[in-house]
Amino acid sequence: EAGVAQSPRYKIIEKRQSVAFWCNPISGHATLYWYQQILGQGPKLLIQFQNNGVVDDSQLPKDRFSAERLKGVDSTLKIQPAKLEDSAVYLCASSLVAGTSSTTQYFGPGTRLTVL
Amino acid sequence: SQELEQSPQSLIVQEGKNLTINCTSSKTLYGLYWYKQKYGEGLIFLMMLQKGGEEKSHEKITAKLDEKKQQSSLHITASQPSHAGIYLCGARGTNAGGTSYGKLTFGQGTILTVHP
Repeated sequence: EAGVAQSPRYKIIEKRQSVAFWCNPISGHATLYWYQQILGQGPKLLIQFQNNGVVDDSQLPKDRFSAERLKGVDSTLKIQPAKLEDSAVYLCASSLVAGTSSTTQYFGPGTRLTVL
Repeated sequence: SQELEQSPQSLIVQEGKNLTINCTSSKTLYGLYWYKQKYGEGLIFLMMLQKGGEEKSHEKITAKLDEKKQQSSLHITASQPSHAGIYLCGARGTNAGGTSYGKLTFGQGTILTVHP
């Protein structure tokens, strides 16, 4: 079974530029998550989708970050414009459903973003 | 909001030694996940614990959840260089009504180095 796919793996941009990350979850997984992991910290949830609807985006900086999950499969996370503090690893995860007693999130390899 | 504290923050051991990593929660745990991460890469799922007193093992790694469900430990027996990496505990959140939902809150991670 294929795992969660993410691209690109690495991205370097100047501040105030835009960037987009792509995620393809495990086939059949209804729930998709985007996490931000700053160096030395644990991942922090940015947004959670159930199929193509947003369940939780309370920690998404909506003035510069946006995300969509068209057709309930692939997802794109965008930053516009980027700031220095956005330098981090962006992790995508998926699970069968959310909120059940034994749902495990499976993570992709991540995209390492460096903002200069 | 729930907070997870991991200890120690880093650990250096000689190959063959046993070690323990702890994860302490500010609130009752409703689902505690252990992941391993290689530097700059995605998270690999190790184990999930739900019930107070539960213990699970996989190869040389054992995880336990205490009876009060506020602390978990990860124990590695006879460590090997392949065990090196960052170990993260993550807890599933609950809403005010106690219903579990998908978001995971993570500890800051424990960096494990194993010298051959």
